[in-house]
Amino acid sequence: ELKVEQNPLFLSMQEGKNYTIYCNYSTTSDRLYWYRQDPGKSLESLFVLLSNGAVKQEGRLMASLDTKARLSTLHITAAVHDLSATYFCAVDPHQGGSQGNLIFGKGTKLSVKP
Amino acid sequence: SQTIHQWPATLVQPVGSPLSLECTVEGTSNPNLYWYRQAAGRGLQLLFYSVGIGQISSEVPQNLSASRPQDRQFILSSKKLLLSDSGFYLCAWAGISYEQYFGPGTRLTVT
Repeated sequence: ELKVEQNPLFLSMQEGKNYTIYCNYSTTSDRLYWYRQDPGKSLESLFVLLSNGAVKQEGRLMASLDTKARLSTLHITAAVHDLSATYFCAVDPHQGGSQGNLIFGKGTKLSVKP
Repeated sequence: SQTIHQWPATLVQPVGSPLSLECTVEGTSNPNLYWYRQAAGRGLQLLFYSVGIGQISSEVPQNLSASRPQDRQFILSSKKLLLSDSGFYLCAWAGISYEQYFGPGTRLTVT
């Protein structure tokens, strides 16, 4: 059974600081996704990582994927309050004939304080 | 562009009552569709997915069911709600890279 583990689950940061959220998964996969959820809202897609070594950046967020280590990271640079949200990683466990049944981590609740 | 709708947005239902939540997608054909539930402060649990009309796969046995009567319509139902059915229900469709796009959600409270 595929397991997706995120850490930390809770993260309190000061504005201007850098930090990294980790996503480990337990089986072979080359498809990993990052989502953001604001309180009371739905999920918003942030990044799609589809190969080993993939790196995507958007603003202060950068995501990377190491399929050999079964690890993805979401790096936050110079955090600002607007980044406060819960971040989920999700893994597609199927090779080839995928049906997109993603397995989600438990989420990392990020709070950025002045 | 593609959009996904869910209704109702919020729902309060007594235990034992029936449930019907609807999800529709616009701007795409034959999408894979998914129903998730998110309990308060928790992660997402995949309930059902569908790769086509009338094709439903269940991930978790429970008192919920799903149907896909039309290509871009996905319905989540229950004959008798339980307290444990409370949560935030999200519908999603999958794009080319199986990236999932989520609807706005339905917040269900069973009393």
